[in-house]
Amino acid sequence: KAGVTQTPRYLIKTRGQQVTLSCSPISGHRSVSWYQQTPGQGLQFLFEYFSETQRNKGNFPGRFSGRQFSNSRSEMNVSTLELGDSALYLCASSLGVLSTDTQYFGPGTRLTVL
Amino acid sequence: AQTVTQSQPEMSVQEAETVTLSCTYDTSESDYYLFWYKQPPSRQMILVIRQEAYKQQNATENRFSVNFQKAAKSFSLKISDSQLGDAAMYFCAYRSAGGAGGTSYGKLTFGQGTILTVHP
Repeated sequence: KAGVTQTPRYLIKTRGQQVTLSCSPISGHRSVSWYQQTPGQGLQFLFEYFSETQRNKGNFPGRFSGRQFSNSRSEMNVSTLELGDSALYLCASSLGVLSTDTQYFGPGTRLTVL
Repeated sequence: AQTVTQSQPEMSVQEAETVTLSCTYDTSESDYYLFWYKQPPSRQMILVIRQEAYKQQNATENRFSVNFQKAAKSFSLKISDSQLGDAAMYFCAYRSAGGAGGTSYGKLTFGQGTILTVHP
């Protein structure tokens, strides 16, 4: 079974631009969660989508948004980029049905904002 | 809100020796899961081991085992017979077991991480 894939792997943007990151979960998984990883703040939860619905949201400004498609693929969008948005963005997928379900992470997208 | 604390920013161990990474957490919930994830330089986060809070028995996966002390809210990871490939950043993470249907099981709360160096 193919693992979680994220595209693109690397991205360079300038302040004020917007960006869209994509995550394809493991086949059969319906839950996709997004995390931001920075040296200063560590790993922080952004949001989780399950069956096209946002099920949980972290403490990030409204510039961070996401969505999930009927095939469970998910995208996250960051508008009006700031220098502090430079980070590794990780997504994780799971079946999302039982509390015992394990989450599997993708390789991440490294976003650099200049 | 739950918090997870890893008090050791860096640890080192000699190959074939044993090392223990510490983790404490704070929660008011009684049912939850605890995890150790490994993030090597390639950046792919890999699950190392998982512990269910309702289980008193400590989880074990080959050379990796945990010491789960629920009352003390402590969850340490022991790596035996350390190998060069064990070198990575290790994260302790907490996840609520949730309740009724529709509960989010996707939110992990992570500690700050411990960089493990393995010396040959």
